Amino acid sequence: AQSVAQPEDQVNVAEGNPLTVKCTYSVSGNPYLFWYVQYPNRGLQFLLKYITGDNLVKGSYGFEAEFNKSQTSFHLKKPSALVSDSALYFCAVRANSISSGSARQLTFGSGTQLTVLP
Amino acid sequence: GAVVSQHPSRVICKSGTSVKIECRSLDFQATTMFWYRQFPKQSLMLMATSNEGSKATYEQGVEKDKFLINHASLTLSTLTVTSAHPEDSSFYICSARSSLRETQYFGPGTRLLVL
Repeated sequence: AQSVAQPEDQVNVAEGNPLTVKCTYSVSGNPYLFWYVQYPNRGLQFLLKYITGDNLVKGSYGFEAEFNKSQTSFHLKKPSALVSDSALYFCAVRANSISSGSARQLTFGSGTQLTVLP
Repeated sequence: GAVVSQHPSRVICKSGTSVKIECRSLDFQATTMFWYRQFPKQSLMLMATSNEGSKATYEQGVEKDKFLINHASLTLSTLTVTSAHPEDSSFYICSARSSLRETQYFGPGTRLLVL
């Protein structure tokens, strides 16, 4: 079974400082990895994904994430945090497209609440 | 990115009534749609997966007769909560994916409150 761990429920960072939101995963075969952001009372917005290729993925709003196969991690990063980045962040994984059934469903982490302090 | 809409965004109903939530993919054909439920400060719980033109696949513990899902076209899926009870109050989020994309796109969610 596939799983995602976001070890930090809450991350606080000062505006202008770099931020990291951690994610590790477990999946059979090659993973497809995703980061989504959720603002209060809203659905999830897609930030970035890793499918194949370059391990460093750049996404929306200046976010990036690095796929590390040996550590089975996909940490989200941003060089300089903004107050408007404060939101709930979800990491998600699913098996690659040759898999079938439940393995093709997204499995989400528990979410990390990011608070950027002015 | 692709756009997924949900309607209504918020609904309040009396216990025992049925509520229908619509999910539309606005600029792509959604061969697969997903319905999630989210409790406050928690992650998303997958309720069911539906492929266009076929019956939905429900996750364990989700009552298919209570949460009716219809995916009649490549751009529309509906979730009907039948005979709603206060414990059905929650935030319901739909998601859509096409066969051509690896990314799932999410609707803005529907807040259901059953009195």
